[in-house]
Amino acid sequence: EDKVVQSPLSLVVHEGDTVTLNCSYEVTNFRSLLWYKQEKKAPTFLFMLTSSGIEKKSGRLSSILDKKELFSILNITATQTGDSAVYLCAPSSGTYKYIFGTGTRLKVLA
Amino acid sequence: GAVVSQHPSRVICKSGTSVKIECRSLDFQATTMFWYRQFPKQSLMLMATSNEGSKATYEQGVEKDKFLINHASLTLSTLTVTSAHPEDSSFYICSTKHWESSYNEQFFGPGTRLTVL
Repeated sequence: EDKVVQSPLSLVVHEGDTVTLNCSYEVTNFRSLLWYKQEKKAPTFLFMLTSSGIEKKSGRLSSILDKKELFSILNITATQTGDSAVYLCAPSSGTYKYIFGTGTRLKVLA
Repeated sequence: GAVVSQHPSRVICKSGTSVKIECRSLDFQATTMFWYRQFPKQSLMLMATSNEGSKATYEQGVEKDKFLINHASLTLSTLTVTSAHPEDSSFYICSTKHWESSYNEQFFGPGTRLTVL
């Protein structure tokens, strides 16, 4: 059975802190892994990772994948209150089917 | 990113009625759309994959006769919750992949919150 575990479940930090969010997975026919940020409504796309060891960056966010150890991390540096959200990772099982984790709820205090 | 819309954004209905939710891709053709359900404090669960011009593929445990999916055009997929019951109350989200994209990231609609009384 496909499984995705995100940790920590929730996290409270102060503005300026750096956070690392973890995603471990066991899926059949893995192709890629997606990271999303979900605030009040639908998730917004952050990253897609397909290759191990290649860091993807977007501003203060970065992410990396380890296909051998079956995990990915999402780093956020210099956190801001606007980063408060639920962060979801979703490895694929096949080409289009993505299995979502339950997410890490991040709260950044001013 | 691609723009996906959903209508309605919120619907309240009585138990036993049917509710139709529309998902539209506004700026590209979407041969494949995905329907997810999200209960409070839980993650997105894929319900079905909707393919234009053919029958939808349902995930295990999802009743195809209860959740009717129609993908009649390249820009519109609909999900009809038939004979809705309070346990169907949830956040329903559609997503799609841009057909020209070589990547598989999915673009999500804003979601529809269904409350069944």
